[in-house]
Amino acid sequence: LAKTTQPISMDSYEGQEVNITCSHNNIATNDYITWYQQFPSQGPRFIIQGYKTKVTNEVASLFIPADRKSSTLSLPRVSLSDTAVYYCLVVPYGGATNKLIFGTGTLLAVQP
Amino acid sequence: SQTIHQWPATLVQPVGSPLSLECTVEGTSNPNLYWYRQAAGRGLQLLFYSVGIGQISSEVPQNLSASRPQDRQFILSSKKLLLSDSGFYLCAWTGIRRNGETQYFGPGTRLLVL
Repeated sequence: LAKTTQPISMDSYEGQEVNITCSHNNIATNDYITWYQQFPSQGPRFIIQGYKTKVTNEVASLFIPADRKSSTLSLPRVSLSDTAVYYCLVVPYGGATNKLIFGTGTLLAVQP
Repeated sequence: SQTIHQWPATLVQPVGSPLSLECTVEGTSNPNLYWYRQAAGRGLQLLFYSVGIGQISSEVPQNLSASRPQDRQFILSSKKLLLSDSGFYLCAWTGIRRNGETQYFGPGTRLLVL
């Protein structure tokens, strides 16, 4: 599985747009990029997944350049409740990974 | 819809005591099931995964064990707890989204070994 690298922590203020970048230089052709969000004392929850270019849902946007060696999670107009750890994972299409690797993630701290 | 349950929510156990954490999934059949542990301020460490009844794969050698007696039941056990077993234990199952695999996590069990 492709290893990912992301910043350990980020700070932001309410109302700002936050961009968290993840690098995955060894991503394979059939890999998808997936982001999870984890609040304290809770399990991670799926945020967004993409393969290339741009994906947007009601929570976030995911930007993936043509070489797919990195991706950027974009959170528009963050609020205090967006304070959480964000994990970037690379998963192969079709399942049967058995070994999703969650790193330490990026701790986003949103201040008033 | 699918739901995943874990219990107990919190547990305080003395060193050397046994452990049994239970996870059950509803609304799906033959899921891949996982046990993770998360130490304070750390990422998730995969402990065990199972692709079917009685099939357990261990990722990290330790004094913990796992069992899957039924299709949607996953149990994490220990005969003698160590201080280092303290942490946040998460059970997860795998679902297939439109494109790639996604894991769905339970509420977790916070274990404190004293």
